[in-house]
Amino acid sequence: QSVLTQPPSVSGAPGQRVTISCTGTSANIGAGYDIHWYQQLPGTAPKLLIYATSNRPSGVPDRFSGSRSGSSASLAITGLQPEDEADYYCQSYDSSLTGSRVFGGGTKLTVL
Amino acid sequence: QVQLQESGPGLVKPSQTLSLDCTVSVGSIRGYYWSWIRQFPGKRPEWIGQIFHTGDKTYNPSLQSRVTISIDTPRNQFSLKLSSVTAADTAIYYCARTWSCVGETCYSGDWFDPWGQGILVTVSS
Repeated sequence: QSVLTQPPSVSGAPGQRVTISCTGTSANIGAGYDIHWYQQLPGTAPKLLIYATSNRPSGVPDRFSGSRSGSSASLAITGLQPEDEADYYCQSYDSSLTGSRVFGGGTKLTVL
Repeated sequence: QVQLQESGPGLVKPSQTLSLDCTVSVGSIRGYYWSWIRQFPGKRPEWIGQIFHTGDKTYNPSLQSRVTISIDTPRNQFSLKLSSVTAADTAIYYCARTWSCVGETCYSGDWFDPWGQGILVTVSS
């Protein structure tokens, strides 16, 4: 069981907007630790999508955006494209006894 | 653009030690933290630990008793050893550069970019 909880799956049609939530606790997101998001295409390594809640690395389209509120964070994808179909993971730091960098359980995005 | 490449045996016997290397190219290993991360098939990634070029290291508490991460700066490589492996350690192992600051701005919690392509390590007799 992950300390960061994501919905197992979300879906949307091309051109639509989808959001993926990441719910944490007072030991991670709620404690103010930053959240980062990764995209993993089938058979490839995870790729950084968003760092520190809302910052996009160079080369990541502005269709991807991140936000946070309390102990939760969200990744929004607008103008959905077929190539966005992938697994998405949130990641943060957890200060509890697990005390390490932790990932969410992952969300499978299906583009209908 | 820095590139990372994992190397090592793809098959390890139970109770033995898993040993992997990560070679950093197109850039220096100095001045950054470097991490090992693994991912069980169809599951979330799991951070194993990280090391700085000075040798300063931090491990995931759940693996700390079995993990050793080391660094060889002249060869631009860092390594992972995981002892007493079982079938539960079968996973894809990735190396990655670790960030907590961008320019003058530092953040509360680090992230990983880029990742190597990963290497599947199977623990089986």
